[in-house]
Amino acid sequence: GQNIDQPTEMTATEGAIVQINCTYQTSGFNGLFWYQQHAGEAPTFLSYNVLDGLEEKGRFSSFLSRSKGYSYLLLKELQMKDSASYLCAVTSGGYNKLIFGAGTRLAVHP
Amino acid sequence: EPEVTQTPSHQVTQMGQEVILRCVPISNHLYFYWYRQILGQKVEFLVSFYNNEISEKSEIFDDQFSVERPDGSNFTLKIRSTKLEDSAMYFCASSDTPQIASTDTQYFGPGTRLTVL
Repeated sequence: GQNIDQPTEMTATEGAIVQINCTYQTSGFNGLFWYQQHAGEAPTFLSYNVLDGLEEKGRFSSFLSRSKGYSYLLLKELQMKDSASYLCAVTSGGYNKLIFGAGTRLAVHP
Repeated sequence: EPEVTQTPSHQVTQMGQEVILRCVPISNHLYFYWYRQILGQKVEFLVSFYNNEISEKSEIFDDQFSVERPDGSNFTLKIRSTKLEDSAMYFCASSDTPQIASTDTQYFGPGTRLTVL
């Protein structure tokens, strides 16, 4: 089966750092993706991890531990526009279908 | 920057009617996907398509659904007889290879909001 868990909601202050955790149990695993989704819009790609460790892209970093089935997305220097849902997704299978978690709704306040 | 486009942005239909949702993937991409998101719920995989055939489909993708690439640019999702529970946002996505690489990820279109009355 497929199970991806992430917190439902988080709040943070503008300029701060926030970490969004994701745990997964899937029958196959190719890689883990993080997408951002503003209300009513499409998911937009943020980062992916295939190997264990940290991947950094500007204000966003993502970490993966395959042995623990665990990932996190780290957002630094938070801005108001970062208020959105953050979707953890695992790819599996030969054609890399994305299996999404329910998403974490992040509210950034002044 | 190339992007996936979808039409229409919003489709309202009566229960039992057929609808066709259209997508134009990024031009050099070879792998195409449909996902749906019921309001307030998670994004769910429907089907993947490669080399003019379905490569994988989910339990949601039953006989009422079909996909087609009628020409070199369009990728369509057809629902033959819509039900109330088909109301959702439908996203098309494309990628250039299924292998994981720094840029070989799935890029999503803006979605079609389907409302079944």
